[in-house]
Amino acid sequence: AQKVTQAQTEISVVEKEDVTLDCVYETRDTTYYLFWYKQPPSGELVFLIRRNSFDEQNEISGRYSWNFQKSTSSFNFTITASQVVDSAVYFCALCRGSSNTGKLIFGQGTTLQVKP
Amino acid sequence: DTGVSQNPRHKITKRGQNVTFRCDPISEHNRLYWYRQTLGQGPEFLTYFQNEAQLEKSRLLSDRFSAERPKGSFSTLEIQRTEQGDSAMYLCASSQRPGQGADQPQHFGDGTRLSIL
Repeated sequence: AQKVTQAQTEISVVEKEDVTLDCVYETRDTTYYLFWYKQPPSGELVFLIRRNSFDEQNEISGRYSWNFQKSTSSFNFTITASQVVDSAVYFCALCRGSSNTGKLIFGQGTTLQVKP
Repeated sequence: DTGVSQNPRHKITKRGQNVTFRCDPISEHNRLYWYRQTLGQGPEFLTYFQNEAQLEKSRLLSDRFSAERPKGSFSTLEIQRTEQGDSAMYLCASSQRPGQGADQPQHFGDGTRLSIL
């Protein structure tokens, strides 16, 4: 079975704090893809990053960084020096490589509130 | 690129009525997806199109639901005889320019929020 678990339902931090959002996935596929999306209050899901299962290099983009560890089936997302504009619901998602569908399996999301 | 466009943004209707939503994907995108999102949950896959062909449907898509993508451009999602449990956000996404794989990021619209009275 394919599954994505985001155990943190809600996180509240004060501006400028660092925060890590956890994502654990389950799949038997050897080829798969992992994604993070941001959903601000407006509702539109905004693509942040895509990672394939053969690339375990961590990635940094500005204040955002991602830590992919196959050994623990985790794909965690860290925001450094958080800002109020980072407040949103963040979703981790899995796409099976064995399926040509491309459909995404989402976690339940983590609501991040950054207070000024 | 213009983004994925969905309309209406909000739809309020009485139980038992039919509703239809429209999605205009990013031009040149071959794939179009419909997801449903209920409060506090992540989006759940409903169905997807490769050009005009509907290639997969979730078990969530009961026989009251039908989706079309004529000519491989815009898509419509119709719900017949709506029920209270149909209240949700319906999200459309598109991906994959010609030559790209199925794993390309999906770009989402703002969604249509359906409320059943």
